[in-house]
Amino acid sequence: DAKTTQPTSMDCAEGRAANLPCNHSTISGNEYVYWYRQIHSQGPQYIIHGLKNNETNEMASLIITEDRKSSTLILPHATLRDTAVYYCIVRAFNAGGTSYGKLTFGQGTILTVHP
Amino acid sequence: EAGVTQSPTHLIKTRGQQATLRCSPISGHTSVYWYQQALGLGLQFLLWYDEGEERNRGNFPPRFSGRQFPNYSSELNVNALELEDSALYLCASSLGQGLAIAKNIQYFGAGTRLSVL
Repeated sequence: DAKTTQPTSMDCAEGRAANLPCNHSTISGNEYVYWYRQIHSQGPQYIIHGLKNNETNEMASLIITEDRKSSTLILPHATLRDTAVYYCIVRAFNAGGTSYGKLTFGQGTILTVHP
Repeated sequence: EAGVTQSPTHLIKTRGQQATLRCSPISGHTSVYWYQQALGLGLQFLLWYDEGEERNRGNFPPRFSGRQFPNYSSELNVNALELEDSALYLCASSLGQGLAIAKNIQYFGAGTRLSVL
C-alpha cells in the first residue's frame, strides 16, 4: 500500500471549513483513498473514499488532484464534535498478499476545532 | 441497525493470564478484522476472518489467535499476557473482500480496553 503523509496537527474555528491535506505521491492506479477519523478512545469512523473523482457525502467532501498524488478532506462547517484524529489511507481494491484485507493506519492529523 | 459490538468494554488481567475478547459484526457482514492500538504505536492490523477462515494476520506472535463462528461473530484470544499487550483492541466488520469497493468498507466497534498488570 502507498505511503501517506499528513500534517501532525491542525486547528480550525467552529463553523469554518476544515481542509485536511494528504500526500500520497506513490499511489498506484488501482489504489483508493480512504478517510477515517477517531474521536478520543473510540473506534475509527469511516468518512469517505474515492479513486479519482471528487466525492461528497453527508459528512465531508474528498478532493483528489488530477495526478492523484494528493487529496484534501473537507469538513464544510466544522463543529466541536469534529475534533478527532483524521487518517488518510491508501489501499488497493482487493489488495492481495500481505496487504490482503487490512487497513494500514499512519499517525494521522489531530484536528482541533476551537469555539 | 446495530453497529459492531464488542465485549467486554474493559478487561483487567495479570501477566501470564489469558484474555478473550468478543466481537459481533454488523448484520449481514461476513468479514471480521481485529486491530490493536497500543499507546504510541498507532493502529496495527492483527487478524482477518472471512466465512469462518483466517485470511490474513499481521506481525504478531502466535499467542494472538482467534476464530470466527458460524454466525460470523468472532473472538480474539491472547495467551500468556505480557505487559505490552495493554492496548485498545478494535474489531471491524465488512461485507467481505472480492465485492464492489463500496461493500468492503470496514466499520469499527468501540473497542475493548485490555489492561495487563
